[in-house]
Amino acid sequence: EPEVTQTPSHQVTQMGQEVILRCVPISNHLYFYWYRQILGQKVEFLVSFYNNEISEKSEIFDDQFSVERPDGSNFTLKIRSTKLEDSAMYFCASSSTDLGYTFGSGTRLTVV
Amino acid sequence: DQQVKQNSPSLSVQEGRISILNCDYTNSMFDYFLWYKKYPAEGPTFLISISSIKDKNEDGRFTVFLNKSAKHLSLHIVPSQPGDSAVYFCAASARNTGNQFYFGTGTSLTVIP
Repeated sequence: EPEVTQTPSHQVTQMGQEVILRCVPISNHLYFYWYRQILGQKVEFLVSFYNNEISEKSEIFDDQFSVERPDGSNFTLKIRSTKLEDSAMYFCASSSTDLGYTFGSGTRLTVV
Repeated sequence: DQQVKQNSPSLSVQEGRISILNCDYTNSMFDYFLWYKKYPAEGPTFLISISSIKDKNEDGRFTVFLNKSAKHLSLHIVPSQPGDSAVYFCAASARNTGNQFYFGTGTSLTVIP
């Protein structure tokens, strides 16, 4: 069964450093998303991406965040200057239509 | 503003019995709903969906019921199995607002052998 692959599974970074979280969506999917879940809290939407541009983003997705699909297969989330409160599980998802998603297994980001 | 609510953070059920997980929403424009299951340290896994033109959808041991007038949906698991122990999220979307899904805070289900 096709999978959404996320790397790394766990990233530890110092506050103020830049991190790039990587995702390989399912190959024929057209819609791509990032979500995050801070420990013990709800899953939060960050951004959706379609046709090589951001289609929607939440309040959380401020200027510190950016997404890119650099080579037609990878979908990356960059956080320019990490803060302690960015520590969370980050989930990538993709879908072929607007009905339901396939999620990756997540990247746990720990900012120290 | 929490548009999708799961008011029970946890639920314990004996193996073989029915598990009922509840979800309420506030936005009457929502027309598509999903349930996800999440094990620790893994991404959410799609479980079952329902669109607003239906009031019930069944897939094996899992049935989702939608009550549009009450803005309420529920997931029934019959019979419950220990492997069903996980966190269950409901999510809702409205076609006319793009592809953003709104998630509830989750209900942690424990099925006791």
